[in-house]
This record gives sequence, C-alpha cells and structure tokens, in this order.
Amino acid sequence: GAVVSQHPSWVICKSGTSVKIECRSLDFQATTMFWYRQFPKQSLMLMATSNEGSKATYEQGVEKDKFLINHASLTLSTLTVTSAHPEDSSFYICSARPGQWGPEAFFGQGTRLTVV
Amino acid sequence: KNQVEQSPQSLIILEGKNCTLQCNYTVSPFSNLRWYKQDTGRGPVSLTIMTFSENTKSNGRYTATLDADTKQSSLHITASQLSDSASYICVVSANSRGSYIPTFGRGTSLIVHP
Repeated sequence: GAVVSQHPSWVICKSGTSVKIECRSLDFQATTMFWYRQFPKQSLMLMATSNEGSKATYEQGVEKDKFLINHASLTLSTLTVTSAHPEDSSFYICSARPGQWGPEAFFGQGTRLTVV
Repeated sequence: KNQVEQSPQSLIILEGKNCTLQCNYTVSPFSNLRWYKQDTGRGPVSLTIMTFSENTKSNGRYTATLDADTKQSSLHITASQLSDSASYICVVSANSRGSYIPTFGRGTSLIVHP
C-alpha cells in the first residue's frame, strides 16, 4: 500500500523557536497533502490543504503566518511552526492523496511537538 | 453543517469478546466513509473504505456496515485481541466539485483487557 513518511516523530523545542515537520509520500505522487493537529482525546482537526506548486488553503482560525506550509514537489510537503509557544504543543499529522481526485488518503505516523 | 458522531466514546472489553462501534453522520453530498484505527501516538491506519452502494465490507476481524438511508455505519470487531486496543475513527467525506472533504468523528477509545 501507499506509504507516507512523516519526520520527525517527536520534537521538543524552546518557546520562540521554529520547527519544521516533513511529510513525504514514498511510493506515489501526491498532488494534495493535508495537515491536521490533534489534541489529547480529541479528533483530528484539519489545519490546511496543500497543493503542489500553489499556496496552501487554510481552515478558518488557523494562522497562515504561524503555520507555514510548503508543497514544493509531488512527494514532499513541509509544515513550519514559527515562533512556537507552549499552546502549540500538539500531535501533528499529515495525509497525502494519490492523484488529484481520488478519495483515499494515507496518513503519516504523526509528529509529537512539545514546546517548553 | 457536516458532522460525524461516534459512540460509545470509550469501551472496555475482555479479550476474545466481540464489540460494535457506531458512527452517525450528516455529511452531504456523501462520497465515502472510512474507518481508521489509531494507536496512541501514531497516525491513523485505514481499515475500510465504503462508498454509497456498499452495505458491508470486511477486513479480517473487522466488518464495517453502512446504511446510507439512515446515515449510520458500524464497525464490528470479532474475537478481540489485546492489539485491538486503540482509538477507532470514523471519517466521512463529502464530494464538493470533485474534491473530497473529510469530516472526522471524535473516535471511540477501545481497551481490550486480558
């Protein structure tokens, strides 16, 4: 099956620093990738939809200047949390969709971000 | 507003027993419904994907049903194992102009005790 690799699996950073999370589709091209965050015992919340070669579409309430998304190639999307604060501590998950119109999406293993 | 409601919120069963998880949704226009298993600290892994015309689909010990009329789905786990302990998430996608927009349920936390 299709594999999506997310890196790093966990990261601890100091408040005020920036953190980059990578999402790679290993054996397929992903025109569209999605970024989610998940708080403990909560559902996944869609943050933004990233399309290769164009600007990401952010969900309402998500600060685009704080959560920078870059989808420079068909196999890589990155999420950069800028000037991180303790309230940004969360579980971030990406998913990638093979093809432009397919319904299936495959998830990365997630990144646990802790801001101290 | 598209919504997905899952029940129960949490469930504890003994190893070897069966259990059924429920998912009710109000998503339109309906495209597909997926059940995911999410282990703690990991990304979700797809169990089944069901389209409008499918009523039942099995994946090993997991059997999902879909009633598009009542907008309900269930995930039945047979002969539970300790490794089934996880969160099970129901995701329903709407088809908007060829793009699939997912709505996530909050998940059911399943704990299987020996």
